[in-house]
Amino acid sequence: SYELTQPPSVSVSPGQTARITCSGDALPKKYAYWYQQKSGQAPVLVIYEDSKRPSGIPERFSGSSSGTMATLTISGAQVEDEADYYCYSTDSSGNYVFGTGTKVTVL
Amino acid sequence: EVQLVQSGAEVKKPGESLKISCKGSGYSFTSYWIGWVRQMPGKGLEWMGIIYPGDSDTRYSPSFQGQVTISADKSISTAYLQWSSLKASDTAMYYCAKIAAAGGMDVWGQGTTVTVSS
Repeated sequence: SYELTQPPSVSVSPGQTARITCSGDALPKKYAYWYQQKSGQAPVLVIYEDSKRPSGIPERFSGSSSGTMATLTISGAQVEDEADYYCYSTDSSGNYVFGTGTKVTVL
Repeated sequence: EVQLVQSGAEVKKPGESLKISCKGSGYSFTSYWIGWVRQMPGKGLEWMGIIYPGDSDTRYSPSFQGQVTISADKSISTAYLQWSSLKASDTAMYYCAKIAAAGGMDVWGQGTTVTVSS
């Protein structure tokens, strides 16, 4: 089955830049989406169609995609950005799949 | 306000059946896909399947095909996820989410906790 691979954890100091990668063979042809999930809460969409930001999402969140890798960047990370982040995309058959998840620690 | 409100927590025994719900409001319920997502305790998100309430077109993840049934009643703007025979391994949080035209899940329900234990 199709897999989207993310690093298990990323640590960043407040105000620094965090980059979370998502690797998948179909990403050259399929959009990536990114979700933030804070502890005990439902996920929130932070990036759609590789690089677009929904209304209400801070500008410090940005996305990009090149080849088989999509990247979520948090520029000037804040303590409140500490959460689990998941990428999301489709395989060639149209089945959606979430990435393995990355725990972002801001300290 | 666009929102999805899910039914409350459930505690069931193995072998029992269960149907949980997700009621949409504030938007045209029949015009957007609804997805279901599982999150087992301490684990990541898993895509289970989606339904288009307008015509009940349904698609399942291969991992969940045959294990659950997704349905919708457009007359009351409600989607459902059901099991005919629960297992302990079905213990998880289940989320419904509206799928935006651009493809991402832009509005999420609050989640329904399902606990299956003898």
